[in-house]
Amino acid sequence: AQTVTQSQPEMSVQEAETVTLSCTYDTSENNYYLFWYKQPPSRQMILVIRQEAYKQQNATENRFSVNFQKAAKSFSLKISDSQLGDTAMYFCAAFSKAAGNKLTFGGGTRVLVKP
Amino acid sequence: NAGVMQNPRHLVRRRGQEARLRCSPMKGHSHVYWYRQLPEEGLKFMVYLQKENIIDESGMPKERFSAEFPKEGPSILRIQQVVRGDSAAYFCASSPPTLYGYNEQFFGPGTRLTVL
Repeated sequence: AQTVTQSQPEMSVQEAETVTLSCTYDTSENNYYLFWYKQPPSRQMILVIRQEAYKQQNATENRFSVNFQKAAKSFSLKISDSQLGDTAMYFCAAFSKAAGNKLTFGGGTRVLVKP
Repeated sequence: NAGVMQNPRHLVRRRGQEARLRCSPMKGHSHVYWYRQLPEEGLKFMVYLQKENIIDESGMPKERFSAEFPKEGPSILRIQQVVRGDSAAYFCASSPPTLYGYNEQFFGPGTRLTVL
């Protein structure tokens, strides 16, 4: 079974500054994928970034980057140069085909970007 | 290429009524997943379907809930005799088939079910 844990219910950050969201996971699989999703007030789930476990290089998408620590089973998200539009819920998720074709989500972190 | 479509977007039911939620996957996608999001929680997997087959229903409550994905038409999540605890956002996602690795699951906008 897979589990995903987000220990920060809420984070606030000033516009243009950086915020880091924590995520830890547990899986017995060797081949798995990790994701960060953004859910704005519209509730639409938007994929922010994805990491394949077999890749050592941390994924980056514009202002979003991850710190993937495989041995520690840690997968944090860094949002740089925060913008007001980044205000949303952020969910960490894991996928492993061997564990069933389903995404396992953490409980979420609410991010508030202040002007 | 239209995205995943769900309807209705909002659904209000009284206790004991039936709720039917519909999901039309993206064109070319034959895999559909349903997730439920209770208030202030993350999404929880419910069921994974391919055309005319239920592949994994390990997340479905044992009673009152059923899902189908017929050869023609949308996938349907059906909740019979709804109770207040069924109030949640229900998300559908679709993906193309894959033999290994991962194909991105594209999410619909969700259906928010409110049970009075």
